[in-house]
Amino acid sequence: AQTVTQSQPEMSVQEAETVTLSCTYDTSENNYYLFWYKQPPSRQMILVIRQEAYKQQNATENRFSVNFQKAAKSFSLKISDSQLGDTAMYFCASLGNNNDMRFGAGTRLTVKP
Amino acid sequence: GAGVSQSPSNKVTEKGKDVELRCDPISGHTALYWYRQSLGQGLEFLIYFQGNSAPDKSGLPSDRFSAERTGGSVSTLTIQRTQQEDSAVYLCASSGGKQETQYFGPGTRLLVL
Repeated sequence: AQTVTQSQPEMSVQEAETVTLSCTYDTSENNYYLFWYKQPPSRQMILVIRQEAYKQQNATENRFSVNFQKAAKSFSLKISDSQLGDTAMYFCASLGNNNDMRFGAGTRLTVKP
Repeated sequence: GAGVSQSPSNKVTEKGKDVELRCDPISGHTALYWYRQSLGQGLEFLIYFQGNSAPDKSGLPSDRFSAERTGGSVSTLTIQRTQQEDSAVYLCASSGGKQETQYFGPGTRLLVL
């Protein structure tokens, strides 16, 4: 079974600053994928970034990047140059061989002007 | 192309009534998932369809919950004899296959009075 833990229920950051959201996971599988999703107040879940566990290189999507530490089972999300539109719930998720996606409890991020 | 759509957006029902929630996946996606998100919580996996294979029902919380996927496309989640604890947002996602990225619909907010 997979478990995903997000230890920061809430975070805030000033506009244009950088913030890092933490995520740890536990899995016994070798072939798995990790994701960060964003859920704004509209409740639409939006994919932010995806990481294949077999890749050592950290995934990057514009202002969003991850720090993937496979041995430590850590998968943090860094948001650079934070924008007001980044305000949302952020969910970390792990997808295993059985195609079952497990989500963390989420981190509520507020970007302050 | 069109994303995942769900209907209705909101549903208010009385305790004991049956409800049907609909999901239209992205065209060509073979995998379809249902999740439940209670207020302020992460996502709880309910059921997963992959092609013509038997669905993975391991996440359904009780026998009052069932789901069908007709013609490998549209899916309906049915909750019989609704209870107040069924109140939640029900999210549907689809993907191109096993361990592919899941794309989410906007969800149906269910309120059981």
